[in-house]
Amino acid sequence: DADVTQTPRNRITKTGKRIMLECSQTKGHDRMYWYRQDPGLGLRLIYYSFDVKDINKGEISDGYSVSRQAQAKFSLSLESAIPNQTALYFCATSPEYLETGELFFGEGSRLTVL
Amino acid sequence: AQSVTQLGSHVSVSEGALVLLRCNYSSSVPPYLFWYVQYPNQGLQLLLKYTTGATLVKGINGFEAEFKKSETSFHLTKPSAHMSDAAEYFCAVRTNTGGFKTIFGAGTRLFVKA
Repeated sequence: DADVTQTPRNRITKTGKRIMLECSQTKGHDRMYWYRQDPGLGLRLIYYSFDVKDINKGEISDGYSVSRQAQAKFSLSLESAIPNQTALYFCATSPEYLETGELFFGEGSRLTVL
Repeated sequence: AQSVTQLGSHVSVSEGALVLLRCNYSSSVPPYLFWYVQYPNQGLQLLLKYTTGATLVKGINGFEAEFKKSETSFHLTKPSAHMSDAAEYFCAVRTNTGGFKTIFGAGTRLFVKA
């Protein structure tokens, strides 16, 4: 089983719909992240959380919100999806004890907004 | 501010040939540097990392990278390409300032010809 699990893996939705992408991890890491991948742009950080009570905006947080329900769960929401949010979304984790901040990724959630 | 530049969005090599993927970074403080690999329909996984100490870093699958501070570079090499190396490769930088965030390059897709 994957250590970092994302659901759904694929989702097609329409403009204006609310969408939630979920991430759960069994690695026991405190730090969790949501990234967005677009061709030619690499990965860009949307939100990150260093523990359950800590939520921080990344470089492209507009139009997104997150919830850290537990140490192991970190959800990303699009309150009103728009076509330019079509992308591949990755959840990642890292352990606090690892100063270098190596990231462990889920397999991604591909979102298409029509 | 940190940034990462990967030279060449696509690189094509013949099987058995040298692989060279270029990465330059900017950082005002000593960085941690990473190469991640993404195989089709998968998440990213760590290939290798530079933290401190030896500037030549060896990773999985025969890849290595050399940290050159004077050139602000962290190029990835492999002496002999294999078909299974075909993937997208991301260079990334992280420092313990700026919110402990990891910044990714745009990625380089490696094609390996038989």
